[in-house]
Amino acid sequence: GAGVSQTPSNKVTEKGKYVELRCDPISGHTALYWYRQSLGQGPEFLIYFQGTGAADDSGLPNDRFFAVRPEGSVSTLKIQRTERGDSAVYLCASSPHGQLERTTNEKLFFGSGTQLSVL
Amino acid sequence: RKEVEQDPGPFNVPEGATVAFNCTYSNSASQSFFWYRQDCRKEPKLLMSVYSSGNEDGRFTAQLNRASQYISLLMRDSKLSDSATYLCVVIGAGNRPLVFGKGTRLSVIA
Repeated sequence: GAGVSQTPSNKVTEKGKYVELRCDPISGHTALYWYRQSLGQGPEFLIYFQGTGAADDSGLPNDRFFAVRPEGSVSTLKIQRTERGDSAVYLCASSPHGQLERTTNEKLFFGSGTQLSVL
Repeated sequence: RKEVEQDPGPFNVPEGATVAFNCTYSNSASQSFFWYRQDCRKEPKLLMSVYSSGNEDGRFTAQLNRASQYISLLMRDSKLSDSATYLCVVIGAGNRPLVFGKGTRLSVIA
């Protein structure tokens, strides 16, 4: 597809369960970002990949959250022992090179997100 | 103090009104600034970048005041389709990821 694809679009799980959220970025984009958006809030940064490596994971809230991008394309966000407070929309975004300064005119493209509900 | 602060609104305005969105940021090293728009249950989309000297794009004018660490977006002749949340976004030095404000919700009423 032409855009960033995220699956599933909705995920309902029970407290304590493990979930995986998938992001398929735009082909050729080296930079991939995960954000989390709670109701009434702006997107909150979680982690940023440049190629296969996590360039900045300072936004991951705790060690229950982990993300991988083994081949530098698809990324999976993994959440262990889910809690009700993890309920949010998880947004993935990609950009060609990760050079997002205004002067480069490089844009960030978001997927439609995964709505995670922890019961 | 949050890195990016915005009035959450909601702003309820009639069609044709001029609306001003304001934002302050805490990191004086921030170099790039943007306004994004997010429709209900949709992903954020870039509306416009903010240039140091101020810039205009159609009905929108963006301004930056580095001394006050303040960014504004002025929207003229508002339309029903402008109803959305407007997010102020900054990027820090050294290619740090985008930091989003909470957003200001706008409803344009007929």
